[in-house]
Amino acid sequence: DVKVTQSSRYLVKRTGEKVFLECVQDMDHENMFWYRQDPGLGLRLIYFSYDVKMKEKGDIPEGYSVSREKKERFSLILESASTNQTSMYLCASGWVTGEAYNEQFFGPGTRLTVL
Amino acid sequence: AQTVTQSQPEMSVQEAETVTLSCTYDTSESDYYLFWYKQPPSRQMILVIRQEAYKQQNATENRFSVNFQKAAKSFSLKISDSQLGDAAMYFCAYRSAEGGSEKLVFGKGTKLTVNP
Repeated sequence: DVKVTQSSRYLVKRTGEKVFLECVQDMDHENMFWYRQDPGLGLRLIYFSYDVKMKEKGDIPEGYSVSREKKERFSLILESASTNQTSMYLCASGWVTGEAYNEQFFGPGTRLTVL
Repeated sequence: AQTVTQSQPEMSVQEAETVTLSCTYDTSESDYYLFWYKQPPSRQMILVIRQEAYKQQNATENRFSVNFQKAAKSFSLKISDSQLGDAAMYFCAYRSAEGGSEKLVFGKGTKLTVNP
């Protein structure tokens, strides 16, 4: 079974703190994604990576950065956390386009609260 | 840019009954993929069913089936013989078939309640 794990299920941080959210996948996927999930807004893509050290901005990258030093690990960084970044963060991974379907596999999510 | 619209924020169904969740999308592309994902309470999101736009035949996975109307840009999910375990948030998603476009565009979701 594909496994995508996230470092924390729940996280509470203070405004201005630097926050690291970690995601690890065990299926040798090339692609990895970070989404933010808010009620009534669905899932919005923050950043994605299609290879080690490669990254592309998604729809809402402001206030976030990412790091992918190893293929299996993709980190989301909040340089200076703010209260409007309180949200559920979902990591996903998948194989490179070429196959018909390219399903994305999701982690359990990290519920981040910024006080 | 593509958009995905789920017009029903919440739906409910009686156990063993059938329910249909709606999804419409907007795109100028002719080839793409459509997905329904399920997110149970406090559990991981999983893929329910997928459809390739160039396939006319509607996808089916056990009790889950879709009604894909390409001209109308509609992609509804039908759940037959609903079970308590079907209670979840359901997200419709779109992906371009263009090379290098692995990004998914999600709708806002429909919360399905299954009543015993």
